[in-house]
Amino acid sequence: GAVVSQHPSRVICKSGTSVKIECRSLDFQATTMFWYRQFPKKSLMLMATSNEGSKATYEQGVEKDKFLINHASLTLSTLTVTSAHPEDSSFYICSARDLGQYYEQYFGPGTRLTVT
Amino acid sequence: SQQGEEDPQALSIQEGENATMNCSYKTSINNLQWYRQNSGRGLVHLILIRSNEREKHSGRLRVTLDTSKKSSSLLITASRAADTASYFCATWRVDDKIIFGKGTRLHILP
Repeated sequence: GAVVSQHPSRVICKSGTSVKIECRSLDFQATTMFWYRQFPKKSLMLMATSNEGSKATYEQGVEKDKFLINHASLTLSTLTVTSAHPEDSSFYICSARDLGQYYEQYFGPGTRLTVT
Repeated sequence: SQQGEEDPQALSIQEGENATMNCSYKTSINNLQWYRQNSGRGLVHLILIRSNEREKHSGRLRVTLDTSKKSSSLLITASRAADTASYFCATWRVDDKIIFGKGTRLHILP
């Protein structure tokens, strides 16, 4: 089956620094990728939709200047958490939609961000 | 915003018993999916049921969908310790984005 990878799987950063998370579709092309955030024992909340070649669209309440998204190619989207604070600590999961199979959407393994 | 509401929020059963989780949603859907997530890990897609289907089976999993009641159920038969995980239903919002329910944490007791 299709594979979506995320890097890094875990990251610890100091408050005030920025951290970048990569999401790659390994064996298919994805014009659309999605970023979700999950707090402990909670559900996944959609943060934003990443569109290749255009600006990301953000869900209501998500700060676009805080969570920068770049979808540079059909296989790579990045999420940069800028000026991270402890409350940004969370599990971030990306998802990619297969260009050729519209209803197929694959999820990455997630990235655990801890801000100290 | 979240679309689905699962119940129960948490469920503990003995190994070998059947586990049933329910999901209700608010808007019209094209399909509904169930996912499993082991603690601190990514999602595993379990099954997709389309809006014109009423029931679907996959191994020990049985999913039902009642569009008139806007609800779905996931039944896991003959549960195993490895089934311990969180289970989420997910639906496609009108703008074709996948939205997750709150999830059910299932714990299988030895």
